[in-house]
Amino acid sequence: DVKVTQSSRYLVKRTGEKVFLECVQDMDHENMFWYRQDPGLGLRLIYFSYDVKMKEKGDIPEGYSVSREKKERFSLILESASTNQTSMYLCASIGQGEGTGELFFGEGSRLTVL
Amino acid sequence: AQSVTQLDSQVPVFEEAPVELRCNYSSSVSVYLFWYVQYPNQGLQLLLKYLSGSTLVKGINGFEAEFNKSQTSFHLRKPSVHISDTAEYFCAVSEFPGNQFYFGTGTSLTVIP
Repeated sequence: DVKVTQSSRYLVKRTGEKVFLECVQDMDHENMFWYRQDPGLGLRLIYFSYDVKMKEKGDIPEGYSVSREKKERFSLILESASTNQTSMYLCASIGQGEGTGELFFGEGSRLTVL
Repeated sequence: AQSVTQLDSQVPVFEEAPVELRCNYSSSVSVYLFWYVQYPNQGLQLLLKYLSGSTLVKGINGFEAEFNKSQTSFHLRKPSVHISDTAEYFCAVSEFPGNQFYFGTGTSLTVIP
């Protein structure tokens, strides 16, 4: 079974803390994505990566950075967490050239910033 | 970039009644269309997808969707819902040949006993 694993399901952090959200996929997918999900706003793309060490900004990259040192791992970093970054974060992956295929999602990481 | 519109943010429906969740997208260029379902505190999973061919697509759990190119719509239907169908449903569009997916804002389906 294909698997996208997000390391933390629930996190509580304080304003100003640095936050790491880890995502690992076991499908040898080239493309990985980080989305943010908020009620009424749906899924908004933060960053995506087409290959190791490559990254592209999505629609809402401000306040976030990413790291893709290995093909299977895509990390989302909040350098200095703020309360408006309280949200559900979803990682997803898909194989290159498989635009007809499905995005595989992790279970999500619910972050609360106090 | 595509724009995906889900007109209904919340849909309450009685158990065993039919339901339709509406989805419209902005561009008529070649697109691939998807419906995802999200159960509480879980990630999204694929319900069904349209790539080409028959405009009526059948998915898991008795759901189906119809692609209408002229109306740029991809509405999701089920003839008889169950309590277990209570979830958030997202319509998504992918443009050929890229892997960029565009999501609607979601429809919360609540099935009432």
